[in-house]
Amino acid sequence: DAGITQSPRHKVTETGTPVTLRCHQTENHRYMYWYRQDPGHGLRLIHYSYGVKDTDKGEVSDGYSVSRSKTEDFLLTLESATSSQTSVYFCAISESQGSSYEQYFGPGTRLTVT
Amino acid sequence: SQQGEEDPQALSIQEGENATMNCSYKTSINNLQWYRQNSGRGLVHLILIRSNEREKHSGRLRVTLDTSKKSSSLLITASRAADTASYFCATALGYKLSFGAGTTVTVRA
Repeated sequence: DAGITQSPRHKVTETGTPVTLRCHQTENHRYMYWYRQDPGHGLRLIHYSYGVKDTDKGEVSDGYSVSRSKTEDFLLTLESATSSQTSVYFCAISESQGSSYEQYFGPGTRLTVT
Repeated sequence: SQQGEEDPQALSIQEGENATMNCSYKTSINNLQWYRQNSGRGLVHLILIRSNEREKHSGRLRVTLDTSKKSSSLLITASRAADTASYFCATALGYKLSFGAGTTVTVRA
């Protein structure tokens, strides 16, 4: 899996608690992304980063924040977890190949909010 | 909102048969990519076709792109049990992708 790890791989947490998911890459890619995957929805972009300290919102960013203090790490925080945030979360990375950006995905984190 | 929509949602075929799935999208793109996801795993990039290309091949995969109809198709020839997976199209604008909901392909032995 292209030098991308996610931690934890599984987590169960209670409603209202903060949760942080970590994505770590060893590829030195500039772009990093957080997606969530839910049945019937495919992957939806939560936040993305185009460099250290440079981040922006995706289509489903409400309730989530991110930080990127180093090239290799991209953190996703659920500020106060809700049951609607139960999902599988994927991190991805990409780098320019000419004008194309293929993405490489981590193994995912399964989060359950009870 | 998602850019791409795959059709069909699910497909069951016999080993050795071909599998075809389609993707429609709504806005301009730089390129279109197809990914595969095995159960419980992350997505794996299969093939990319640029907006100025009409057809591309990679091994048993054939992808077509019709920008006038805003549609793409993925053909997997001579399917194998190992091709059982979900397949997603993703439209690219710059470095961001928008994924469809996927087609689940089951290859029966």
